[in-house]
Amino acid sequence: NAGVTQTPKFQVLKTGQSMTLQCAQDMNHEYMSWYRQDPGMGLRLIHYSVGAGITDQGEVPNGYNVSRSTTEDFPLRLLSAAPSQTSVYFCASSYSRADSPLHFGNGTRLTVT
Amino acid sequence: GDSVTQMEGPVTLSEEAFLTINCTYTATGYPSLFWYVQYPGEGLQLLLKATKADDKGSNKGFEATYRKETTSFHLEKGSVQVSDSAVYFCALYPGANSKLTFGKGITLSVRP
Repeated sequence: NAGVTQTPKFQVLKTGQSMTLQCAQDMNHEYMSWYRQDPGMGLRLIHYSVGAGITDQGEVPNGYNVSRSTTEDFPLRLLSAAPSQTSVYFCASSYSRADSPLHFGNGTRLTVT
Repeated sequence: GDSVTQMEGPVTLSEEAFLTINCTYTATGYPSLFWYVQYPGEGLQLLLKATKADDKGSNKGFEATYRKETTSFHLEKGSVQVSDSAVYFCALYPGANSKLTFGKGITLSVRP
């Protein structure tokens, strides 16, 4: 039972490079989301999706794009990496946007130099 | 807006000590409240939840009671273990068409 799978686990980018963080879940969850975790800031919502073909912005969406072409996958794209995007990124999913428990991946640690 | 405030950390305890981690919230309606735990190198996982006033959530020896009169959801455990060392997040879900809001988290270290 894989749950939520994130790849890669670690990534180093140079300023201006682009990349995609992958997220896949095998629980048939409708709701998926991306958070970033920074020291002293807790978790901040970047983007979320309530189902295939539907995405919306969270509280810190600038510099990131998402798409949801299937129920299973929810990739996060960094268009032009900046040092301020150095963070740990978590993908999470749940059955619905209601108070269903969120299932988190193990995170991607991104460093932008 | 809706928000969650957690006590400042980190917290260091000896094994078998009593644990209290404070969490207070601000919300306009009747939110659901959660505690999530993050073990080293892992993502967050739900520890317990409560959906209405006076509900008590419990799991793995941890408890938290939804106190509407004091807008609090403090996490307690009677006897902590080294394996409880983790980061603990309080979270709030205000209701339909809203998002889950997390506190900043607090690191708990339990020494043998």
